[in-house]
Amino acid sequence: GAVVSQHPSWVICKSGTSVKIECRSLDFQATTMFWYRQFPKQSLMLMATSNEGSKATYEQGVEKDKFLINHASLTLSTLTVTSAHPEDSSFYICSRLAGGTYNEQFFGPGTRLTVL
Amino acid sequence: AQSVAQPEDQVNVAEGNPLTVKCTYSVSGNPYLFWYVQYPNRGLQFLLKYITGDNLVKGSYGFEAEFNKSQTSFHLKKPSALVSDSALYFCALMYNNNDMRFGAGTRLTVKP
Repeated sequence: GAVVSQHPSWVICKSGTSVKIECRSLDFQATTMFWYRQFPKQSLMLMATSNEGSKATYEQGVEKDKFLINHASLTLSTLTVTSAHPEDSSFYICSRLAGGTYNEQFFGPGTRLTVL
Repeated sequence: AQSVAQPEDQVNVAEGNPLTVKCTYSVSGNPYLFWYVQYPNRGLQFLLKYITGDNLVKGSYGFEAEFNKSQTSFHLKKPSALVSDSALYFCALMYNNNDMRFGAGTRLTVKP
């Protein structure tokens, strides 16, 4: 069964509004989770690493004030897209590590965001 | 610099035929390589990984991959393709213990 869930699975919002996406680790306390963005027919691009109890680590070129990440508990990380614009429309996917070292990541089902 | 390349955007095979999805990598240090599959509007599912040991790695759904250090490749293979194998396949390279870099993806289409 799924070990990482995301909510919502899809969302449509108006330009200028903010959208929150939740990522839950269902079976494991995850101190680290990852947020990716995927454009149509393209690969996953790592946006940021979410760290429980501390600030997220953002990849170069990702606006931290626009993509707010909160990892308030060991099972929940949230990504808030603030003041969304049409160019923020994308497929957002979160993941957590399988545990140990050099192990795979378990991915959530993704959230499709469409900004009108 | 760490990188992973999937030279083919698209691979088409007939059902029952063997399939290969190619992946090459570049890394300073030991390579830790993964294959994932993505179905439409879904997250990624882990198929298999190479960390160390036997160069032929067996994974989920009958897939396997061969690690070739001299050719810096990690091609995904399956002896007999199914229509249900049609999906987007990603090769990934892990570095810095947990950071992962993904290839551009290869769309596999298996025709009946």
